[in-house]
Amino acid sequence: NAGVTQTPKFQVLKTGQSMTLQCAQDMNHEYMSWYRQDPGMGLRLIHYSVGAGITDQGEVPNGYNVSRSTTEDFPLRLLSAAPSQTSVYFCASGLAGTWNEQFFGPGTRLTVL
Amino acid sequence: KNEVEQSPQNLTAQEGEFITINCSYSVGISALHWLQQHPGGGIVSLFMLSSGKKKHGRLIATINIQEKHSSLHITASHPRDSAVYICAVRSGSRDDKIIFGKGTRLHILP
Repeated sequence: NAGVTQTPKFQVLKTGQSMTLQCAQDMNHEYMSWYRQDPGMGLRLIHYSVGAGITDQGEVPNGYNVSRSTTEDFPLRLLSAAPSQTSVYFCASGLAGTWNEQFFGPGTRLTVL
Repeated sequence: KNEVEQSPQNLTAQEGEFITINCSYSVGISALHWLQQHPGGGIVSLFMLSSGKKKHGRLIATINIQEKHSSLHITASHPRDSAVYICAVRSGSRDDKIIFGKGTRLHILP
């Protein structure tokens, strides 16, 4: 199993550009989520999904869109990048329900100029 | 006020010392996670707790549901334990969100 994979690992964008951060898992996990990690802020939830076709907003959803057309994939879209979106982005997955371990991807470091 | 508070924010200790990292939370939870983030950035799950105590090697995690408090202990600390340790709680409400603390940066000196 590859676990949770994220692409790209690094990305530099100009303000106003759009892009999609990819996240995929091969563990048949229902729960998938996107976080951003900023210095001094800890991990903050952007969007999450409890299954294919179901998504919901987290703590900091503005400027980001998600979709969940399959169990495996949970892409994060930046429609018009802003410097405030410079961060490290982590995708995670786990089985739905209370006691299940979360598996994290390796992260994507995004810089918006 | 953050829903999940960790202390201390930073901790430097000598190799072999007993380490304690604390986590307090203010929301109803269904589970609490302790995570480790290495300097390279990767995040791994150490423990999930709903009650009592769990032990894995030199790591021990405890939780007191009534006091809304958890501790992570490291016995016989080693430089390879140097990392950021993150407490996260899983919401007990219908939205099933995970809320993270800001992390404790641990540095073990040889």
